[in-house]
Parts: sequence; C-alpha cells; structure tokens
Amino acid sequence: KQEVTQIPAALSVPEGENLVLNCSFTDSAIYNLQWFRQDPGKGLTSLLLIQSSQREQTSGRLNASLDKSSGRSTLYIAASQPGDSATYLCAVRPGFGNEKLTFGTGTRLTIIP
Amino acid sequence: NAGVTQTPKFRILKIGQSMTLQCAQDMNHNYMYWYRQDPGMGLKLIYYSVGAGITDKGEVPNGYNVSRSTTEDFPLRLELAAPSQTSVYFCATLRDESRTDTQYFGPGTRLTVL
Repeated sequence: KQEVTQIPAALSVPEGENLVLNCSFTDSAIYNLQWFRQDPGKGLTSLLLIQSSQREQTSGRLNASLDKSSGRSTLYIAASQPGDSATYLCAVRPGFGNEKLTFGTGTRLTIIP
Repeated sequence: NAGVTQTPKFRILKIGQSMTLQCAQDMNHNYMYWYRQDPGMGLKLIYYSVGAGITDKGEVPNGYNVSRSTTEDFPLRLELAAPSQTSVYFCATLRDESRTDTQYFGPGTRLTVL
C-alpha cells in the first residue's frame, strides 16, 4: 500500500527566504506526483504536476523535483512572500488506468513578514 | 464556468440523522471523487466514479453511499450520522485525457456531528 509522508508538519520562515518542502513515498511505481496548495477553509489548487519520466517542473518561483528511485519529491519556493502562507500537500497517482491519488498529510507553511 | 460546486458549506447534524452532500461540475469531466479531510491529516478517498452509472469504493467508504446518474452530479449520502464522520468533505473531478490533467477541487463542506 502506498504511503505518502510530509515532514515537517509545520514550517515558519522569514519573508524573502528560499525554502524546501519534502514529500516521500514508499512505492516508486508511480504515474505522476502533484503538489497542491490549500488555503484555510478552501479546497485544493494544483501547483505542479511531475510525470514519472520527468525530473522537475517549474512554475514561476516554484520548482518541484522528483526522484523516483529514492521515493522523494521536493517543492522549492524561491524568495518567499507572506502570500505563500498555506498548507502544501503532495499526492501520488499509482499508474495509468488508476485515477486514485494518495495524499500526504501536508506541511503548513507560514511566512513571517 | 463555475467549476466544482458543493452545497452546503457548513452543516451540523445530530447522531443518527441523515443528509446528502451535493457536488456538481460543469466541466464535463468523467471522473469524480469524494474525499474527507480530518484535522492535521491528508485526504482520504471515500468513493469515486469513472462515469455516469459507475461508482466504486475508496479507502474509507463505510457509512457513506453515492450515486452518479448524470455526468454533472455526484451526491454523497450519509445515512446514520456518527461523530466519527465529523470532517471536511471535498468533491473533485478529473478529465484524464492527457498525462498532465489534474484534479479540480470544490470548496468543501464542513460537517459536524454532535
């Protein structure tokens, strides 16, 4: 059974710093991995999706990497801003034809002005 | 496009009561999902559907039922509410016609069972 872990559960950093969020998964046979953002009281919004054949994806100040062999992904946020404060969740999709995602428990990020 | 809509936004139930959480989408996506999110936890899949008339259980289906009579709607039914069902419920959709397709989430329904 796939298990997805995100450590730490919470992180606070001063504004302007670069930071890395971690995601690890136990079964390397994945179709893709996604990073989502969740604001308090809101639903999830997809940030980046990395296919199993890719090593990284970038969108603006965000860069996500994937190392399938070690079962790890990181989300790098450059020049953090207070508006980046949210909970970030990663999710893995097991395979083509299997559309069910397994989610991590998330990292609650607070950017201190 | 409204995307994925969920009603109600909040609800308080008494133990043993029943209710239906509504989910509707206007994106013509085939796949629809129901998740629950408990405090400090990730999302757990309750039920999902790959198209109208087809539903299947997820990781935590006990105490819930679903139906999918149309592409647009995917209601979640709680028959005998229990305090363990206190949670935030999210509906999501997926087109899945491309390797880069991702799930779209509704705003959630916060349910408290007392």
